[in-house]
Amino acid sequence: AQKITQTQPGMFVQEKEAVTLDCTYDTSDQSYGLFWYKQPSSGEMIFLIYQGSYDEQNATEGRYSLNFQKARKSANLVISASQLGDSAMYFCAMREDYGNNRLAFGKGNQVVVIP
Amino acid sequence: EAGVAQSPRYKIIEKRQSVAFWCNPISGHATLYWYQQILGQGPKLLIQFQNNGVVDDSQLPKDRFSAERLKGVDSTLKIQPAKLEDSAVYLCASSLARISTGETQYFGPGTRLLVL
Repeated sequence: AQKITQTQPGMFVQEKEAVTLDCTYDTSDQSYGLFWYKQPSSGEMIFLIYQGSYDEQNATEGRYSLNFQKARKSANLVISASQLGDSAMYFCAMREDYGNNRLAFGKGNQVVVIP
Repeated sequence: EAGVAQSPRYKIIEKRQSVAFWCNPISGHATLYWYQQILGQGPKLLIQFQNNGVVDDSQLPKDRFSAERLKGVDSTLKIQPAKLEDSAVYLCASSLARISTGETQYFGPGTRLLVL
């Protein structure tokens, strides 16, 4: 069964605008972690932000914030003030803490920032 | 701090040939992961090592894939013989410990494999 769902089609975003990338997840565990990674065309997966299931506040890292809605099982990424360098694939991933630390990834969202 | 190193960056082989990829994790990272990323999909874990022991290889096609992490530092992933469907990016990642709340996996640049 798919544990991470990312269904948005490719997105074009105007430079300096904000963009929200949707991610829903499926787990029966109470303890888990949610991650967002960026993958530019060079191929490397770059860690952006982490949210623990017990964290009461939404995570923020610079221009990245995670809109965590536990009851809805969603963990949307918000990128504020988009830059041209933000053009990339973005992957949502989940780690179930009582498992083996395996990350389950979604299929990704393509973002293209236009000037 | 140096990141995760991988080589080669690109490899083209014919089906039924063998190929090997190398990974050197971030210094001090006990856990090492190999992922396969097929075009248009997210990475899928193939194998996970804790030091030099295998923690999880449930998704590794063991009839053709093998991996080792001698001495608990660098690792090699081998495919023998390769099939067309093995064309993918092979990503290596490492983390400090196996299970820790908030533990992050750091990825290398990947090896792009094309099987003809």
